[in-house]
Amino acid sequence: EIVLTQSPATLSLSPGERATLSCRASQSVSIYLAWYQHRPGQAPRLLIHDASNRATGIPARFSGSGSGTDFTLTISSLEPEDFAVYYCQHRGNWPLTFGGGTKVEIK
Amino acid sequence: EVQVVESGGGLIQPGGSLRLSCAASGFSVSSNYMSWVRQAPGKGLEWVSLIYSGGSTYYADSVKGRFTISRDNSKNTLYLHMNSLRADDTAVYYCARGGSPYNWFDPWGQGTQVTVSS
Repeated sequence: EIVLTQSPATLSLSPGERATLSCRASQSVSIYLAWYQHRPGQAPRLLIHDASNRATGIPARFSGSGSGTDFTLTISSLEPEDFAVYYCQHRGNWPLTFGGGTKVEIK
Repeated sequence: EVQVVESGGGLIQPGGSLRLSCAASGFSVSSNYMSWVRQAPGKGLEWVSLIYSGGSTYYADSVKGRFTISRDNSKNTLYLHMNSLRADDTAVYYCARGGSPYNWFDPWGQGTQVTVSS
């Protein structure tokens, strides 16, 4: 099983600041990594797929990078609605697994 | 609009059974891979089960032999039949399109709460 480790667990930032979230895989997943946003009480939402491709309707302030075992999600300038939990997920092989999540909270 | 809506959650005693439903709109359940994912209190997301468009099914080890995924094409609805429920099955259960090694989870529903307690 591929283990995805996200860091930091919590990121305390102010609106307008840049957020950088990390996801590290225990073995290579090539580019087969996605990022999801999860606001409390809402459906999780696909943000980035295949490491760097924004999903339909996702604002340009969200960007993803990386390949192999190290991946980054960057939010260039935080909007109030961006404060949420973010998960990475791979589809390299079975079973599909998620990272433990990074909570982006208002400082 | 492409969306999925879950229902059927509730409070159930340990050892009991429950059936969750996921009604899809804007796309066909029978033509897509469909998954269940859960989130236990204070925990992250855990993939539970997947059904391929061809009908093959897959399960996480934690639910294998107790849960069954199925679909009703005429109702465009996905199901999760849960038997022998345990306290550690307590979670919000999400339905999502996709979730195979070939595609991503998109879209997701808002989830339905399952609480296993006496």
